[in-house]
Amino acid sequence: EIVLTQSPDFQSVTPKEKVTITCRASQSIGSSLHWYQQKPDQSPKLLIKYASQSISGVPSRFSGSGSGTDFTLTINSLEAEDAAAYYCHQSSSLPLTFGQGTRLEIK
Amino acid sequence: EVQLVESGGGLVQPGGSLRLSCAASGFTFSSYWMHWVRQAPGKGLVWVSRINSDGSSTSYADSVKGRFTISRDNAKNTLYLQMNSLRAEDTAVYYCARAPSVVDYWGQGTLVTVSS
Repeated sequence: EIVLTQSPDFQSVTPKEKVTITCRASQSIGSSLHWYQQKPDQSPKLLIKYASQSISGVPSRFSGSGSGTDFTLTINSLEAEDAAAYYCHQSSSLPLTFGQGTRLEIK
Repeated sequence: EVQLVESGGGLVQPGGSLRLSCAASGFTFSSYWMHWVRQAPGKGLVWVSRINSDGSSTSYADSVKGRFTISRDNAKNTLYLQMNSLRAEDTAVYYCARAPSVVDYWGQGTLVTVSS
């Protein structure tokens, strides 16, 4: 099973700040890494697919990078509405797995 | 508009059974692989199962293999999850999700509580 480890687990940030969340895979997964945002009491929403591909309707302040085992989600100029949990997810091999999540709090 | 609406959750005793349904609309259901993903209260996302577009191929997480069965009825645009021999650790919100190549749309989830 491919283990995905996110860091940090929690971050408290101020609006307009730049945020970086990392996801490390226990073995190489190429670019089969995707990012989701989950706000309280909502279902997850796809933000970035295949490490760096943007999703229609997602604000351009969200971007992704990386390949192999190390990946990054960057949120430029954070907004209050970005308070949420963020999860990475690999679709390279079964079982599909998710990172443990990173919770962003807006100060 | 893509819509996935889960139903069938509720309170069940340990060892009991439950069948979840997911009604799909707004897209050609029969063309898409579908997944079930669960989330225990206050915890992260855990993949449960997937099924290919015509229902001929299925996969399961080890934690549910032999107890859960995923299926679909393309004529009814509906995905199912039959859950048997339920355990306390199966307590979670269960989401159905669409996956053209990556999981892109999720339903709102249905809560399953396993408790005596």
